[in-house]
This record gives sequence, C-alpha cells and structure tokens, in this order.
Amino acid sequence: DVKVTQSSRYLVKRTGEKVFLECVQDMDHENMFWYRQDPGLGLRLIYFSYDVKMKEKGDIPEGYSVSREKKERFSLILESASTNQTSMYLCASSLNIQRSSGNSYEQYFGPGTRLTVT
Amino acid sequence: AQKVTQAQTEISVVEKEDVTLDCVYETRDTTYYLFWYKQPPSGELVFLIRRNSFDEQNEISGRYSWNFQKSTSSFNFTITASQVVDSAVYFCALSEVNFNKFYFGSGTKLNVKP
Repeated sequence: DVKVTQSSRYLVKRTGEKVFLECVQDMDHENMFWYRQDPGLGLRLIYFSYDVKMKEKGDIPEGYSVSREKKERFSLILESASTNQTSMYLCASSLNIQRSSGNSYEQYFGPGTRLTVT
Repeated sequence: AQKVTQAQTEISVVEKEDVTLDCVYETRDTTYYLFWYKQPPSGELVFLIRRNSFDEQNEISGRYSWNFQKSTSSFNFTITASQVVDSAVYFCALSEVNFNKFYFGSGTKLNVKP
C-alpha cells in the first residue's frame, strides 16, 4: 500500500522558533510537494521538488525553505515561525509524469500536520 | 489567473438527493490531466479519479459519475443518492503535462444531512 507519512499530526510552536516538518514517501516518487491549506483558500503550493536536491518555488514560498537530501524525504522549514503560518500543512508525492505514462499519475497525500504558532 | 475554479463553496443536501459539484479549469496546454480528490473530516485527501485531456468519455463508478467537457473546460462530479458518508470537502485539480505541478481549486464542502 502506498504511503506518505508526516512527522507530526499536531504541532504547537512559539513565534520566532525554527520549525521542521518532515515528509517521507515509500513509493520511489520523483516529485514531492508541500502545500498549506487554509479555509476558503484551498491548497496552496509552497514548494515542490522534482528530484533530489532540486526544488522550485510554488505560489507562496515566502517564509519557508525546503530540503531534499534523499529521494524519499522532503522537509519543510519555517526559518522563524510567525502566527500567520498557523495552518494545515500537507505533503504529497507523485511520479514524474513522463515516467508514469499517465496510468498512475496522481498525487498521494500524507495525513497533514496542523501547526499552531502562538 | 486561477487555473481551477470551484464556484460552489458549500452545498447542503438531504440524504438520497443527487448533487453535482462544478469544476471549471483553464489551460493553454493540449495535454493535461484533471483530478477529483475527497477530503473527509479526518483530513487526508483521497484520490477519486484521473482524466486525461484526450479522453472525454464520462465515467461512472457506483454512485459517482464525472462529466468532462472540453468545449466548456469543465469537469463536473455528480453523486447520485447521496449518503451522510459523502460529507467532505471535494477538490478538483489540474496538472499540465509539461510542468508536473498540480493546481487545485478552492474546494467545495458538501454537507449531507440525514
């Protein structure tokens, strides 16, 4: 069974702290993604990675960075947490579309991390 | 510009009613994929269906059916005889072949009341 896991379901941090959110997938997927989900705004892409050590900014990268040292692991880093980063964070992975030939091309999501910054 | 629009923010129906969730997308690519995901109250997004741009056949899976119309750039989702377990947020998404990125709509929250 395919699996994307995230390090925490719930996290409470203080303003100014450095926060690490970890995501691991066991499907040998090339692509990995970090989204944040806020009411009424849907899923907004923060960063994605299409290969080890490769990353691209999504729609809302400000205040975040990422790290992908191994294919299966994609970390989201909040350098200095702020209250406006309180949100649900979702990690996802997918095959590279060229490798999938379309038949198994979809995103698999982790359970999410609900982060509260106080 | 928003690539995927789900104009219905929230819909409430009574059990056994049929309900259609609308999705309109925008792309210049000729090859792309469309998706529907379900997010139940537990929070984890569940994949429901994938459609590529060359396949306009409608699909039915049990009580679920999808209507893909390129002429109107729409990919609508119908639940027949809704059940309380269908209560969730439903997301429509688009992926353009050249980019490996997914664009999600803002979601439609479906409330099915007994």
